[in-house]
Amino acid sequence: QKEVEQNSGPLSVPEGAIASLNCTYSDRVSQSFFWYRQYSGKSPELIMSIYSNGDKEDGRFTAQLNKASQYVSLLIRDSQPSDSATYLCAVDSGTYKYIFGTGTRLKVLA
Amino acid sequence: DVKVTQSSRYLVKRTGEKVFLECVQDMDHENMFWYRQDPGLGLRLIYFSYDVKMKEKGDIPEGYSVSREKKERFSLILESASTNQTSMYLCASSLWESSGANVLTFGAGSRLTVL
Repeated sequence: QKEVEQNSGPLSVPEGAIASLNCTYSDRVSQSFFWYRQYSGKSPELIMSIYSNGDKEDGRFTAQLNKASQYVSLLIRDSQPSDSATYLCAVDSGTYKYIFGTGTRLKVLA
Repeated sequence: DVKVTQSSRYLVKRTGEKVFLECVQDMDHENMFWYRQDPGLGLRLIYFSYDVKMKEKGDIPEGYSVSREKKERFSLILESASTNQTSMYLCASSLWESSGANVLTFGAGSRLTVL
């Protein structure tokens, strides 16, 4: 059974701090990795994708991938209350079937 | 931007009723998907389609069927709704990028309650 594991949280960080969200996956042939943000009652929206080992930065967001350790993370710098949401990690093995984690709830405290 | 539109935001149906959930995308994407999302279980794939009239079962197809008669439209059908199908239903579409990645874009979701 292919799995994607995330800590459900809530992860609470003060405003302005760095939030660190982590995800591990079981399928070694996984090729593409995604972070989606989902506000309560809304649908997921893509915020980051990463396909090769290392870091990828986009504004306040940095995705990190370590395929040897089967680990992907998302760092949010200068966290804002508007970042409070559930963050879903998703893994694609090159098929049509994404595997989603159950999400980490982030709370940024003003 | 790709727009994925789900026809109904909230529905309330009775057990045994037939339910249609419609999804339309406006960017000529090849692939379309139906997921359901339940607390603690995450997103689970019901069906997907990679071309007109083509459909493939996902992880939880039981009790559902789909129709894709046109490229832009993908419908989810509950032939006889049951209370355990109360859920948030999310439609998504995607295109294979030059990077080899298949990036999903979701609609707003349809929250179905079956009484």
